[in-house]
Amino acid sequence: NAGVTQTPKFQVLKTGQSMTLQCAQDMNHEYMSWYRQDPGMGLRLIHYSVGAGITDQGEVPNGYNVSRSTTEDFPLRLLSAAPSQTSVYFCASGPGTSGNTIYFGEGSWLTVV
Amino acid sequence: AQRVTQPEKLLSVFKGAPVELKCNYSYSGSPELFWYVQYSRQRLQLLLRHISRESIKGFTADLNKGETSFHLKKPFAQEEDSAMYYCALLTGGGNKLTFGTGTQLKVEL
Repeated sequence: NAGVTQTPKFQVLKTGQSMTLQCAQDMNHEYMSWYRQDPGMGLRLIHYSVGAGITDQGEVPNGYNVSRSTTEDFPLRLLSAAPSQTSVYFCASGPGTSGNTIYFGEGSWLTVV
Repeated sequence: AQRVTQPEKLLSVFKGAPVELKCNYSYSGSPELFWYVQYSRQRLQLLLRHISRESIKGFTADLNKGETSFHLKKPFAQEEDSAMYYCALLTGGGNKLTFGTGTQLKVEL
């Protein structure tokens, strides 16, 4: 049981490049989400999904795209990377019901130069 | 809209001293609150949730609806407690976590 798996762990991009951060979970969770972590700002929700085929915007969605074609996978796409997207990205999943724990991946460190 | 406030960016205590990490929330509904801990460059791990009323690694937290607070406490700090601590509020029917800005706890010898 691997839990929440994110790849890559580290990535350097040039401004304007696109890339996809992968996230997979093996707990059959309906709920998945992406957060970015920045110093002094805590974790902020980018996008989330409450089930396959359903996605919605979080607090800071601009510049990011998501899709949820399967229950297991929830990739995050950076369409045209900007230095402001330099951050640590965390994927999370949970059963999507009150009182249950949300689990986090190990994080992806992204630098845009 | 919901909000979580952690007023201290850094809390430094000596080993063996009591610890209190403050968390206040703003939410019109019935709150579900959590404490997550993040050790250096690792994933966030659940430390406590208020509905369980449990004690993990000597930490406790009590929800005070009157003061809208969920402070994290430990009577005697240990060196291994040094980490970043995040208070979080779960809303959206269990789908959205709103985080505070985090408090870095440093336990000195």
